[in-house]
Amino acid sequence: KQEVTQIPAALSVPEGENLVLNCSFTDSAIYNLQWFRQDPGKGLTSLLLIQSSQREQTSGRLNASLDKSSGRSTLYIAASQPGDSATYLCAVRPIGYSTLTFGKGTMLLVSP
Amino acid sequence: DAGVIQSPRHEVTEMGQEVTLRCKPISGHNSLFWYRQTMMRGLELLIYFNNNVPIDDSGMPEDRFSAKMPNASFSTLKIQPSEPRDSAVYFCASSLGPGLAGGTGELFFGEGSRLTVL
Repeated sequence: KQEVTQIPAALSVPEGENLVLNCSFTDSAIYNLQWFRQDPGKGLTSLLLIQSSQREQTSGRLNASLDKSSGRSTLYIAASQPGDSATYLCAVRPIGYSTLTFGKGTMLLVSP
Repeated sequence: DAGVIQSPRHEVTEMGQEVTLRCKPISGHNSLFWYRQTMMRGLELLIYFNNNVPIDDSGMPEDRFSAKMPNASFSTLKIQPSEPRDSAVYFCASSLGPGLAGGTGELFFGEGSRLTVL
């Protein structure tokens, strides 16, 4: 059974810092991996989707990498801003399945 | 596209009442998912549909829960009778499955329906 772990569970940084959020998964047979952002009281917003054949994806100040062999993905946020404060979740889609397995998320607080 | 649309956004009801949550997926998407989120258990998959057909309902808690997808643009999740432990945020999500033209499997969520059962 696929398990997804996100470390740390919470992170607090001052504005302007570059930071890395970690996601690990137990079964490397994945079709893709997706990073989401969730603001309090809101739904999940898709940030980046990495297909299993890809090593990384970039969107603005966000960069997500994927290392299937080690079962790891990282989300890099450059020059963090208070508006980046949210919970970040990663989810993997196993090969042959249509459903995603989610981590429990990392709650990020960026202080001005 | 307007994204995944859910209604109502908030529902407060009394124990024993019937609750119906509604979802309109993104036009053209062929997969629809219902999730439940609580502080204690995180995000749980309840059921998912592919081409309007329920594929996996193993996450549905018990017979009090039922879901339908009568057509490609509408789905409902019904709880009857409702209980206080059903209080949670219920999310609907949709995707265009891999293998289809333009399909990446990227999942898009609605804003959720916050249910409180007193």
